[in-house]
Amino acid sequence: QVQLVESGGGLVKPGGSLRLTCAVSGLDFGDSHMNWIRQSPGKGLEWIAYSSRSGRLLVYADSVTGRFTISRDSAKNAVYLVMNSLRADDTAVYYCASGWNSFHHWGQGTLVAVSS
Amino acid sequence: SYMLTQPPSMSVAPGQAARITCGGDSLGTHVVHWYQQKPGQAPVLVLYDDTDRPSGIPDRFSGSRSGTTATLTISRVEAGDEADFYCQFWDSSGDRRRVVFGGGTKLTVL
Repeated sequence: QVQLVESGGGLVKPGGSLRLTCAVSGLDFGDSHMNWIRQSPGKGLEWIAYSSRSGRLLVYADSVTGRFTISRDSAKNAVYLVMNSLRADDTAVYYCASGWNSFHHWGQGTLVAVSS
Repeated sequence: SYMLTQPPSMSVAPGQAARITCGGDSLGTHVVHWYQQKPGQAPVLVLYDDTDRPSGIPDRFSGSRSGTTATLTISRVEAGDEADFYCQFWDSSGDRRRVVFGGGTKLTVL
């Protein structure tokens, strides 16, 4: 059974930082493209970051380029999202999802709230 | 930012068909994928590569694409189909690499 479990969300002040973790099981992690996708309250889905299987190709949405970093650890079957210089409009549920082109497996999400 | 165009909402009676459209110039050269999201839950992939269903998705869900418009059809709609639906494609035009979602369609079952 495939499981993606996000953690690390919480309340952070504007300008602060946070690291999200997505623990993956039931998948060949080394063969899995990984993504982070977020959803602001009451809004639609916004893809924000992609990591290739090797981790050598990283792609970001314009809205987070220069502030967020995606990485992966094959030994731990985990993908991370380091978020710096957080702003109020980064408030969202953050999902990790596997796949390239389409996203076949999703986690349940972790809530990040940016507020003073 | 670029976004695919979906109707914000639609309503359908149980047993009828729902057809949700997704439009965008890039859809003429890219396949489309569809997700269903029920309140408080993560999205679920219901169609990929325009027409393919993941295992476990009922065959009441089907897809098509014509020109720059893709359509998700749910035949014989049930109360449990009520959800938000999103279309999506991976934009790899030229040097560009990004994922684009539609704005979402809220399907209400009357």
